[in-house]
Amino acid sequence: EVQLVESGGGLVQPGGSLRLSCAASGFTFSSYWMHWVRQAPGKGLVWVSRINSDGSSTSYADSVKGRFTISRDNAKNTLHLQMNSLRAEDTAVYYCARVLIPSSNSVPFDYWGQGTLVTVSS
Amino acid sequence: AIRMTQSPSSFSASTGDRVTITCRASQGISSYLAWYQQKPGKAPKLLIYAASKLQSGVPSRFSGSGSGTDFTLTISCLQSEDFATYYCQQYYSYPWTFGQGTKVEIK
Repeated sequence: EVQLVESGGGLVQPGGSLRLSCAASGFTFSSYWMHWVRQAPGKGLVWVSRINSDGSSTSYADSVKGRFTISRDNAKNTLHLQMNSLRAEDTAVYYCARVLIPSSNSVPFDYWGQGTLVTVSS
Repeated sequence: AIRMTQSPSSFSASTGDRVTITCRASQGISSYLAWYQQKPGKAPKLLIYAASKLQSGVPSRFSGSGSGTDFTLTISCLQSEDFATYYCQQYYSYPWTFGQGTKVEIK
């Protein structure tokens, strides 16, 4: 059974940092591109970042570029999102998501984690 | 960035109704369009990809159509478990973008 389990969320002050993790199981993690998507309370879904299967290529939304870093450890089946210089507008539930087809880029998400809440407030 | 606009933003319907949600892209995205269903407190669930392909395990009452800039999601016979928020998403080019969502409520 495919499982994605996020962790690392919590309350942080503006300007602070957090590192989110997404533990993957039930599939060959190293074969799949992975993404982070966030959802502010009561709002819609917003794509944040993606990483290719071997970690050599990444992309970011303009709103997080230069502040967030996506990475992965294929030996530990884990995806990370390092979030620095956090702002109030980064407050959201953060989901990790797997793409539908291994080694593919232009395919949507078929599995999502349960999400982890990040709250940026003083 | 490609803007995705859904309509309506919300509406009320009854069990058994046929409902249609539309999604318009600000530029052509071929068939790189997915539809997701999200219930409160839960992660989104993939329903349709490549504009019209039904994801495995999704009931056949869900269908999608369109290409280029205009797309539709149709639920042929609304069931109680279908009351949720629906999002379209383009994966044609980065940044991938979602519509603002359509909330389907019980009449």
